[in-house]
Amino acid sequence: AQRVTQPEKLLSVFKGAPVELKCNYSYSGSPELFWYVQYSRQRLQLLLRHISRESIKGFTADLNKGETSFHLKKPFAQEEDSAMYYCALSVSGANSKLTFGKGITLSVRP
Amino acid sequence: DVKVTQSSRYLVKRTGEKVFLECVQDMDHENMFWYRQDPGLGLRLIYFSYDVKMKEKGDIPEGYSVSREKKERFSLILESASTNQTSMYLCASSTPGGGETEAFFGQGTRLTVV
Repeated sequence: AQRVTQPEKLLSVFKGAPVELKCNYSYSGSPELFWYVQYSRQRLQLLLRHISRESIKGFTADLNKGETSFHLKKPFAQEEDSAMYYCALSVSGANSKLTFGKGITLSVRP
Repeated sequence: DVKVTQSSRYLVKRTGEKVFLECVQDMDHENMFWYRQDPGLGLRLIYFSYDVKMKEKGDIPEGYSVSREKKERFSLILESASTNQTSMYLCASSTPGGGETEAFFGQGTRLTVV
């Protein structure tokens, strides 16, 4: 069974502070990991995926298979980063489901 | 722009009613999903479909059924609505699983069962 754990519900930081949103996963095979974001009154949307190894809006995430983690990081938080963030896991293949964690609210104060 | 459209933003139904939530996507995606979103519980998968007439149970299928008669449309059915099904329901679509895939979400339907 595939499972995603986001251990914290809320992270509140000041503008300019570093951010790390934690995500751990459980899956016996090779998973595909994603971060999705939901800004206030907007649809849930993809932020980044591990296979792309890219930085989006200053965020990066590295897949650590040894620690089964996919933490989301940003060195300097901005107020517009305030949102709900979800870590998600999928498995390659046609019939794969997309499993989400419980999400974390990031609040960036001025 | 990819569009995933859910038929209603808000619904209020009575206990015991049969409720239909409709979702349409215009990107010819094979996969479609229904989630419910509850504070503190995140997104929980109810059902998903990887092809027309094909469906698989997610993590919380009890009390729900689905229908996919056409590729672009995926319906969620509450056979007999109960108050514990009051929630935000999200529909999504995507291409088949893999690292490059991206799920696109609808705007959500907030269902209240009274």
